[in-house]
Amino acid sequence: SQQGEEDPQALSIQEGENATMNCSYKTSINNLQWYRQNSGRGLVHLILIRSNEREKHSGRLRVTLDTSKKSSSLLITASRAADTASYFCATGPGGGAQKLVFGQGTRLTINP
Amino acid sequence: GAGVSQTPSNKVTEKGKYVELRCDPISGHTALYWYRQSLGQGPEFLIYFQGTGAADDSGLPNDRFFAVRPEGSVSTLKIQRTERGDSAVYLCASSLDGGVSNEQYFGPGTRLTVT
Repeated sequence: SQQGEEDPQALSIQEGENATMNCSYKTSINNLQWYRQNSGRGLVHLILIRSNEREKHSGRLRVTLDTSKKSSSLLITASRAADTASYFCATGPGGGAQKLVFGQGTRLTINP
Repeated sequence: GAGVSQTPSNKVTEKGKYVELRCDPISGHTALYWYRQSLGQGPEFLIYFQGTGAADDSGLPNDRFFAVRPEGSVSTLKIQRTERGDSAVYLCASSLDGGVSNEQYFGPGTRLTVT
């Protein structure tokens, strides 16, 4: 079963605009990771934020984590056509479990 | 260096047949994971290996599914008596040592179609 819910399920914006995607989860976590997937195949790791961190940056990506609300957001600034993809959040559960629990994803379309 | 590789990239089989899907993890990674992704959904965990042993197989849907990693490197996911509901993309990932904060690196997946 999937833990997370992503919001929105689909997002379409103009190139150059910022895109924000949200993720909520249900149980305690060790970390939360964001992945990108093109064309329904391999996932590319974007960023990992640990449960004791609140914000992390990587290039045009900014991730926040609010463990009290069990939610995270991914912001992509100055979007490009190449950012068109599905984005998934994945939680690393607590209790020593190693598996990732994925949300259903947000389908992002960047219009030129 | 080389990433995670999976073979075949596509597999079409008839209902009731047996299939094997192969995963080659990143060299030196001791942890290996299998996930399954249905159309429009996020990946779902199947099984996790630490070295040669299955440390967590709680995601395997039933006893038709089995996975091995005999030498602690290459892994094979085996599905017996395939059903149409098994059609999905099967993803393999590896990480350095399975630590809870280690990134998982994914392969391109095998798209399995059961007709």
